[in-house]
Amino acid sequence: GAVVSQHPSRVICKSGTSVKIECRSLDFQATTMFWYRQFPKQSLMLMATSNEGSKATYEQGVEKDKFLINHASLTLSTLTVTSAHPEDSSFYICSSLGPLNSNTEAFFGQGTRLTVV
Amino acid sequence: GIQVEQSPPDLILQEGANSTLRCNFSDSVNNLQWFHQNPWGQLINLFYIPSGTKQNGRLSATTVATERYSLLYISSSQTTDSGVYFCAVQTNTGGFKTIFGAGTRLFVKA
Repeated sequence: GAVVSQHPSRVICKSGTSVKIECRSLDFQATTMFWYRQFPKQSLMLMATSNEGSKATYEQGVEKDKFLINHASLTLSTLTVTSAHPEDSSFYICSSLGPLNSNTEAFFGQGTRLTVV
Repeated sequence: GIQVEQSPPDLILQEGANSTLRCNFSDSVNNLQWFHQNPWGQLINLFYIPSGTKQNGRLSATTVATERYSLLYISSSQTTDSGVYFCAVQTNTGGFKTIFGAGTRLFVKA
């Protein structure tokens, strides 16, 4: 299947700082990527849809100024958690659909565990 | 929006036992996938199954799209099967997106 690589896998940051998470499609071009958030023992909640060359679409209740998404190329989307606070600590996972003109199977990155202290 | 319900929420099995996990969804969907989330958080693609039946080793899945449910069968369970199993549906309503169920947390005892 398609490979989606996410970096870093784990990050600890101080409250008030910003953290950038990268999501790359390694062997295909991805015009659309998705960002999810998962709290302990809960399901994955879709935060936003990242579209190459255009603005991201955010789900209701997700602050677009806090979670900045940039999809500058067909293989890279980034999520920046700005002015992080302890309540932003969570597991963040990105996904992409498979290669263009294929089926719509979703593939996921390894996830990033963010801890804000 | 579309609702995805999984049952049971928790399941404890003795090694070697069989089990069936269920996923119900409230509206028509484009596609459906089953995932296994390992202890490190990685989501492993198990099945891409918008309809019909597929098998992969000890696992198999069936989706009946007209009745809006899917089943994941685990046979001869092993301790390494432990983890969380998610059903996720793909819908194109309000933009293409993948919506997850709450998951089934499986623990297989040796």
